[in-house]
Amino acid sequence: DAKTTQPNSMESNEEEPVHLPCNHSTISGTDYIHWYRQLPSQGPEYVIHGLTSNVNNRMASLAIAEDRKSSTLILHRATLRDAAVYYCILRAAGGATNKLIFGTGTLLAVQP
Amino acid sequence: GAVVSQHPSWVICKSGTSVKIECRSLDFQATTMFWYRQFPKQSLMLMATSNEGSKATYEQGVEKDKFLINHASLTLSTLTVTSAHPEDSSFYICSVADRGLATGELFFGEGSRLTVL
Repeated sequence: DAKTTQPNSMESNEEEPVHLPCNHSTISGTDYIHWYRQLPSQGPEYVIHGLTSNVNNRMASLAIAEDRKSSTLILHRATLRDAAVYYCILRAAGGATNKLIFGTGTLLAVQP
Repeated sequence: GAVVSQHPSWVICKSGTSVKIECRSLDFQATTMFWYRQFPKQSLMLMATSNEGSKATYEQGVEKDKFLINHASLTLSTLTVTSAHPEDSSFYICSVADRGLATGELFFGEGSRLTVL
């Protein structure tokens, strides 16, 4: 499985934008870039995913580099409830059966 | 609303007993479910892939006789921790993927916290 590299932790202030980086230099052409987050004592929650183009949804935006070797999850206005561990994961297409391997993720702290 | 439900949310048991954790897919039929384990301050570790109507596929280093997985229907998979010991205390999480979604978004349960005394 292609691996991802993320900073161990980041800090942000409430109401400010947050850019969470992820490197995936060995990504293959069929890999989707997925982001999940996990709040304390809860199961992970889907945030966003993309293949080549930048993506936006109600939770966040995903900016994908042109060579696809890196991506950035953007939270436009951080709130205290966004404090969580954010995981960047690669997953092959067509794969309800394809397993998801979690890396260490980025622990995001949001200061009031 | 919840797509995946786990039960129980937490369980405390004595060493040597067996504990069963259920994972239910509420919104769609799931031929494949995944079981993860998470120790404090660590990431999720994939334990096994549960396949409806067939044997589960275990990740390297996970004892299949210790962690019994049954996926008897398209909406239910169970994980039984047999002869539990304190080192099995962990947060167990299941997930499912809607096979109708080619891009494979995963839905996760709330997790089940097991404490073995």
